[in-house]
Amino acid sequence: DAGITQSPRHKVTETGTPVTLRCHQTENHRYMYWYRQDPGHGLRLIHYSYGVKDTDKGEVSDGYSVSRSKTEDFLLTLESATSSQTSVYFCAISESTLRRDTEAFFGQGTRLTVV
Amino acid sequence: KNEVEQSPQNLTAQEGEFITINCSYSVGISALHWLQQHPGGGIVSLFMLSSGKKKHGRLIATINIQEKHSSLHITASHPRDSAVYICAVRSEGGADGLTFGKGTHLIIQP
Repeated sequence: DAGITQSPRHKVTETGTPVTLRCHQTENHRYMYWYRQDPGHGLRLIHYSYGVKDTDKGEVSDGYSVSRSKTEDFLLTLESATSSQTSVYFCAISESTLRRDTEAFFGQGTRLTVV
Repeated sequence: KNEVEQSPQNLTAQEGEFITINCSYSVGISALHWLQQHPGGGIVSLFMLSSGKKKHGRLIATINIQEKHSSLHITASHPRDSAVYICAVRSEGGADGLTFGKGTHLIIQP
């Protein structure tokens, strides 16, 4: 299994509070991704990173920010949590996008509930 | 933006049956992934395809690039195969990750 760890695994927070989720990898992969998974939707991309300090927005980035100060860590922050951000969040990593045989590896997910 | 459609959305079958899950996409891709997610669990990669066919144990995945279609087959299905199966594609030159189908919820009854 790829070395990818998400923390926390579960969190309940109140509306309006800031929340930070962490994704940590030991594979030295260049690309890291944050997705959210909601009933009736496929996983949707929030933000991704293609290197240290290099990030870009995904399909559902409003209300989220990210940071990547080290290769191994990719942080997702909800500046002011809302109930619509209740979801399961997955981190993923991949080595390259240029090679057709590039695998994607996923973390175990973080279940976030905003009350 | 690539659109990924999976069918069926839900499938219940008896143990031992042959299972087929289909995936179609709208734009050319560099690779297609089949993923498995057990209830409350993480996501595990089963296959990654850019052409042809792959087999691993009782699982077989095929892709037809010209028709923009892939299938995942399970032979001699077993209750432990019960899970959500997700198709995901990487667009050509796609640095921005994968585009996912909504998943197929498979239940295999003993």
